[in-house]
Amino acid sequence: AQSVTQLGSHVSVSEGALVLLRCNYSSSVPPYLFWYVQYPNQGLQLLLKYTTGATLVKGINGFEAEFKKSETSFHLTKPSAHMSDAAEYFCAVSSHRGGADGLTFGKGTHLIIQP
Amino acid sequence: AAGVIQSPRHLIKEKRETATLKCYPIPRHDTVYWYQQGPGQDPQFLISFYEKMQSDKGSIPDRFSAQQFSDYHSELNMSSLELGDSALYFCASSLNEGAYNEQFFGPGTRLTVL
Repeated sequence: AQSVTQLGSHVSVSEGALVLLRCNYSSSVPPYLFWYVQYPNQGLQLLLKYTTGATLVKGINGFEAEFKKSETSFHLTKPSAHMSDAAEYFCAVSSHRGGADGLTFGKGTHLIIQP
Repeated sequence: AAGVIQSPRHLIKEKRETATLKCYPIPRHDTVYWYQQGPGQDPQFLISFYEKMQSDKGSIPDRFSAQQFSDYHSELNMSSLELGDSALYFCASSLNEGAYNEQFFGPGTRLTVL
């Protein structure tokens, strides 16, 4: 079984400041890890993913995340926050190797950008 | 680019009624997934289908059933609706090409049970 823990249900940063959203996972097998963003009343959009290979992955909108196996972490960062980054962010894991397996999401982190 | 289509976008039902949600995957995608997101909650995986066969099963209540049709669209049937079924229901689709297949999410159907 797999699980995801997102530290901090709400994170507030100033515009232009560093964004750091924390995600720790638990998985009995090497995981696939994802970050999704959800704007109000909208669906989920994939920001970035880690499957294999390079542990530092870059995604859309200037976000990146680093897979650290020793820390079982996959934290999301962005060097400079924009007002448009305000949204709900979900970390997700898939531990199976089957192609149609469902994702397990964390509880989400609401990112607030202060002007 | 074409996206996942879900219908209806909004649905209001009474307790003990039934509801059917529909999902039309991205063209060429052969796999669909259903998720339930309660108010202020994270999405919970319900069930998935690949080539019309159930592939993975999550926390889908016995009152719910789903299927995938020959044109790959899927329907989620919900019976004996309860107040707690009020949620946003997402469908996602993917093309099964191997161990990892990126899921593309639809805009969701918001179900309100009164």
